[in-house]
Amino acid sequence: QQQVKQSPQSLIVQKGGISIINCAYENTAFDYFPWYQQFPGKGPALLIAIRPDVSEKKEGRFTISFNKSAKQFSLHIMDSQPGDSATYFCAAPSSGNTPLVFGKGTRLSVIA
Amino acid sequence: KAGVTQTPRYLIKTRGQQVTLSCSPISGHRSVSWYQQTPGQGLQFLFEYFSETQRNKGNFPGRFSGRQFSNSRSEMNVSTLELGDSALYLCASSLEGRSRTDTQYFGPGTRLTVL
Repeated sequence: QQQVKQSPQSLIVQKGGISIINCAYENTAFDYFPWYQQFPGKGPALLIAIRPDVSEKKEGRFTISFNKSAKQFSLHIMDSQPGDSATYFCAAPSSGNTPLVFGKGTRLSVIA
Repeated sequence: KAGVTQTPRYLIKTRGQQVTLSCSPISGHRSVSWYQQTPGQGLQFLFEYFSETQRNKGNFPGRFSGRQFSNSRSEMNVSTLELGDSALYLCASSLEGRSRTDTQYFGPGTRLTVL
């Protein structure tokens, strides 16, 4: 049973636009929410992470927004660039067996 | 510091065969986790090893197994390969594997194709 639901599955954004990817979780025990970025032929790499005691975290053009009551968190990429084209995964620790539970990923394409 | 390395990068096998994949974690990292990545299912957790012991296991059949050596290097084995085992197998290492802020670092993966 999927514990982290990610949307959309794919996203096309114009260069300079804002990319928004959403994730919803079920387990209220989740307390750490990382986003990973994966380029073709590479493994996922940690992009940015947030803990639920803050509602927003910003690192450069990347911002995580967190809504604890709605059990949702989202990734915003401002001024999207073609180099941002990649697959993005949200994740959360599980209270069960897995160190990390991942969303199914969003393939982002930034076109000029 | 060198990153997580995985060998081989690509493998082609036929149904019924077995395969062994290798992972060398970042120096000093004691936790190694394995994931299967497919287009339909995304990243699915296989198992985690810490100090040569399997600490966590995902919902995969017993054909999938692994081990960790005293230098933290890890191998996973898949026996009696099935077509559905075709996937990218990712290894990730972290310092201790338990902490909520213990970042997992992924290797480039091994692309397994089963014919």
